[in-house]
Amino acid sequence: SQTIHQWPATLVQPVGSPLSLECTVEGTSNPNLYWYRQAAGRGLQLLFYSVGIGQISSEVPQNLSASRPQDRQFILSSKKLLLSDSGFYLCACTHGGTRSTDTQYFGPGTRLTVL
Amino acid sequence: QKEVEQNSGPLSVPEGAIASLNCTYSDRGSQSFFWYRQYSGKSPELIMSIYSNGDKEDGRFTAQLNKASQYVSLLIRDSQPSDSATYLCAVYGGATNKLIFGTGTLLAVQP
Repeated sequence: SQTIHQWPATLVQPVGSPLSLECTVEGTSNPNLYWYRQAAGRGLQLLFYSVGIGQISSEVPQNLSASRPQDRQFILSSKKLLLSDSGFYLCACTHGGTRSTDTQYFGPGTRLTVL
Repeated sequence: QKEVEQNSGPLSVPEGAIASLNCTYSDRGSQSFFWYRQYSGKSPELIMSIYSNGDKEDGRFTAQLNKASQYVSLLIRDSQPSDSATYLCAVYGGATNKLIFGTGTLLAVQP
């Protein structure tokens, strides 16, 4: 089975600073990868998804971007953080070669606080 | 209308009772349905998936799907205090082509 790693686990950043969150996956090849954000008291919001290296789809226009430089690596970035970027960021994956309708598994998450 | 709706709770049940969690969805073309459990401060973990009408049982958990009525439910038998968590319903929408989450139901099992 797959294992998803995310780091850092927690992060406190000032407004206007850059951001880089990393997600790596073990135990599967060619997974679909996803970035979600969960704001306090709200549901999971899909931010980006990727079906392969260099292939990124953005779901919500915002000051965030994503990249997939390697098959099992997914990076979430920002040049300048906003207060509204605070939240719990979750990386998820499906097993490699599966349909996009199949089960998504989540990493441990990164809790970001922007001050 | 929200795409996936859940009662936010809290749903309080005594230890040993059956907890019933419900979820409705708006997209009739939805294909896959999932229940996740999320403890406070942690990431969601998959409990069950269901794809066809009817019941699917796994241990103390039973998922029920009724596509005609557009609802999916989760029953937890012999509820334990360790079941206390937020339960997220997720639906893969046929029209949106992505997994849509409800905002979750907070379950509190009282010892």
